[in-house]
Amino acid sequence: GAVVSQHPSWVICKSGTSVKIECRSLDFQATTMFWYRQFPKQSLMLMATSNEGSKATYEQGVEKDKFLINHASLTLSTLTVTSAHPEDSSFYICSTQGLGGYTFGSGTRLTVV
Amino acid sequence: DAKTTQPPSMDCAEGRAANLPCNHSTISGNEYVYWYRQIHSQGPQYIIHGLKNNETNEMASLIITEDRKSSTLILPHATLRDTAVYYCIVRPGTYNTNAGKSTFGDGTTLTVKP
Repeated sequence: GAVVSQHPSWVICKSGTSVKIECRSLDFQATTMFWYRQFPKQSLMLMATSNEGSKATYEQGVEKDKFLINHASLTLSTLTVTSAHPEDSSFYICSTQGLGGYTFGSGTRLTVV
Repeated sequence: DAKTTQPPSMDCAEGRAANLPCNHSTISGNEYVYWYRQIHSQGPQYIIHGLKNNETNEMASLIITEDRKSSTLILPHATLRDTAVYYCIVRPGTYNTNAGKSTFGDGTTLTVKP
């Protein structure tokens, strides 16, 4: 089945710095990538939808200037958390639709200190 | 996406069948029922999906009522490794451009006990 590789799996950064999270589709072309955020003991919340070669679409309440999404190729989408603050600490997960269904990345645990 | 309702938690004895219900009374005619599970600190894992017929794969069975307003995921012989949060989602089929845009409810925390 389709495989989405997400990394890093975890990252600790200082407040005010930026962190980039990558999601790669390994065996198919992902024209669309969905980015989710999950706080402890809560469900997944969709943040944005990225489409290859065009601007991402953000869900209501998600700051597009803070969560920069780039989908420059059919196999790579990135989410950059800019000027991270402790409240951005969360579990970030990407998802796409590949051959035969929908696939999620393994997630990135971001801790901002 | 249609809203789904699931019980917050369930327990199941190891080796027994786990039956997880989901209500989706506002499901549209073109929307499928998908089930995922999430083990702690991992990305969701696809389990099964269906439109109106019952489905079975190596992981589970999916029973959808005739009116499609509810469904049940069945894990026939639960193991300790099946302990996870199970999400029921309804959304358009695979080839709809918005298909991957899923609205996750709170899911059911299944605890399989020895």
